[in-house]
Amino acid sequence: GDSVTQMEGPVTLSEEAFLTINCTYTATGYPSLFWYVQYPGEGLQLLLKATKADDKGSNKGFEATYRKETTSFHLEKGSVQVSDSAVYFCALRRAAGNKLTFGGGTRVLVKP
Amino acid sequence: GAGVSQSPRYKVAKRGQDVALRCDPISGHVSLFWYQQALGQGPEFLTYFQNEAQLDKSGLPSDRFFAERPEGSVSTLKIQRTQQEDSAVYLCASIGTISTDTQYFGPGTRLTVL
Repeated sequence: GDSVTQMEGPVTLSEEAFLTINCTYTATGYPSLFWYVQYPGEGLQLLLKATKADDKGSNKGFEATYRKETTSFHLEKGSVQVSDSAVYFCALRRAAGNKLTFGGGTRVLVKP
Repeated sequence: GAGVSQSPRYKVAKRGQDVALRCDPISGHVSLFWYQQALGQGPEFLTYFQNEAQLDKSGLPSDRFFAERPEGSVSTLKIQRTQQEDSAVYLCASIGTISTDTQYFGPGTRLTVL
């Protein structure tokens, strides 16, 4: 079945550091890929998405590129802020269906 | 409405009690999903509606779990004879059109079974 694997946290960084969160997936077909973010006390929000190979999703300084050859969708940000402290979830949606399959989440803590 | 709303936000139940969790999707959204998120884990799919039709209930963990969406808008997730392992955050999400990729999530209902 479909699965998403992402690096375990917590990831602790200083402000302005570079952030990478690895995400790999297993799925049949050509899934759409997503990063969702959950800020403290808030619900899940879509951060970015990519719907086909080599697409790059970007939002709020975050980027991720859909790499079919390595079945990966790693999240990156060049200079994190304290406000980026949150839990980040990688997810896929198989083309044929609509349900999301999530990874386990990665907690990121950015210190001033 | 402005977003997906869920009620109650918090529910404490004694083991064996029945609970009902409500989801109000974004007005006009066709598809509605329920997910279960255990502490420290990612959400896991429970069930999916397109309008009033329940098209996929493969994620429901047992026959104690039941969901409905009788008029194609508000949905209720019912858990009968709750067990401690049912303690989790229950998330609802909706999509405007079938081809749209973006699911909009509600704030969730945190269920604690004592």
